[in-house]
Amino acid sequence: QKEVEQNSGPLSVPEGAIASLNCTYSDRGSQSFFWYRQYSGKSPELIMFIYSNGDKEDGRFTAQLNKASQYVSLLIRDSQPSDSATYLCAVSMYSGGGADGLTFGKGTHLIIQP
Amino acid sequence: SAVISQKPSRDICQRGTSLTIQCQVDSQVTMMFWYRQQPGQSLTLIATANQGSEATYESGFVIDKFPISRPNLTFSTLTVSNMSPEDSSIYLCSAESTSGSLTQYFGPGTRLTVL
Repeated sequence: QKEVEQNSGPLSVPEGAIASLNCTYSDRGSQSFFWYRQYSGKSPELIMFIYSNGDKEDGRFTAQLNKASQYVSLLIRDSQPSDSATYLCAVSMYSGGGADGLTFGKGTHLIIQP
Repeated sequence: SAVISQKPSRDICQRGTSLTIQCQVDSQVTMMFWYRQQPGQSLTLIATANQGSEATYESGFVIDKFPISRPNLTFSTLTVSNMSPEDSSIYLCSAESTSGSLTQYFGPGTRLTVL
């Protein structure tokens, strides 16, 4: 049974600070890791993806992966009120035939306080 | 990323009836997926719809309840059959990226209420 665990929050962060979101997964065979942002009433929007151990940066976002610890995180620098949303961690196996179905965590509700 | 549309955006249905949800992608993709998001919950994968083969269902989901069609590389349908109030959810389709990055992008979802 593949499981993805996230702290549901809410996580409250002051505007301009760094928001740190964490995720652990149970299946050591997981190969691909994704962070989606979901605003209330909207569908998930892809923020970051990471496949290799280490850090991956894209603008204000940094994804970090540690496969040995089965841990993936998302850092949001210079947090803005518009970053307030639910952040979903998702993992998949890679079967070599293209994208695979995702297993999602329950999401962390992030609130950026002005 | 591909642009994905779904129809209908929402519907209210009676118990025992069926609803077919359509998903259209603006580019050709091999892999499409169907997910369910129950109220206040995260997303759960229903099935993978690979063009040219039968859909692959996840544990807890069966073809008789959720038949899927994938007639071409840009289109898929999900039918929710013999509905009960427990089927009230948001149903989302996704498609793999055409960039080869193994990422998926989601359609806007179909909000289904079963009375």
